[in-house]
Amino acid sequence: GAVVSQHPSRVICKSGTSVKIECRSLDFQATTMFWYRQFPKKSLMLMATSNEGSKATYEQGVEKDKFLINHASLTLSTLTVTSAHPEDSSFYICSARESGTSVNTQYFGPGTRLTVL
Amino acid sequence: KQEVTQIPAALSVPEGENLVLNCSFTDSAIYNLQWFRQDPGKGLTSLLLIQSSQREQTSGRLNASLDKSSGRSTLYIAASQPGDSATYLCAVWNNAGNMLTFGGGTRLMVKP
Repeated sequence: GAVVSQHPSRVICKSGTSVKIECRSLDFQATTMFWYRQFPKKSLMLMATSNEGSKATYEQGVEKDKFLINHASLTLSTLTVTSAHPEDSSFYICSARESGTSVNTQYFGPGTRLTVL
Repeated sequence: KQEVTQIPAALSVPEGENLVLNCSFTDSAIYNLQWFRQDPGKGLTSLLLIQSSQREQTSGRLNASLDKSSGRSTLYIAASQPGDSATYLCAVWNNAGNMLTFGGGTRLMVKP
């Protein structure tokens, strides 16, 4: 089956630094990728929809200048958390929709645990 | 705005029991409904997807039902095993089929 990878799986950083998280579709092309955030023992909340070659669409309440999303190729989307603060600590999960298939063909990555000290 | 609720939030059962997880959603105009499994600190694994025109889907010991008009879905797990211990998430696709809204999940513990 289709595989989505995320890198890094875990990252610890100091407050004020920026962190980049990569989401890759390994064996398929993804026109659209999604970024979710999950707090401990909570559900996933959609942060933004990333479309290859165009600007991301952010959900209400998500700061686009804080969470920079770039989808430069059909297999890679990146999420950069700028000037990270402890409240940004969370589990970030991406998913990728395979190009040319039904809207429900969406594969999830393994997640990235971000801890901001 | 679509809201998805899962009951119970946590469940602990002895091995071998049959169990039912509940999911309800506020807007019945959905495209599909999907059940996922999430192990601690891991990503999501899709278990079952029910088309809006369908009433149920089965995979092995799992059976998911959908009553779209009442905004409810259930996930039935037969003969539970310790390996079933995980968080089970219900998610609904909006009518346009381009957005997935998740419930809060049910954390299941199956004791040997």
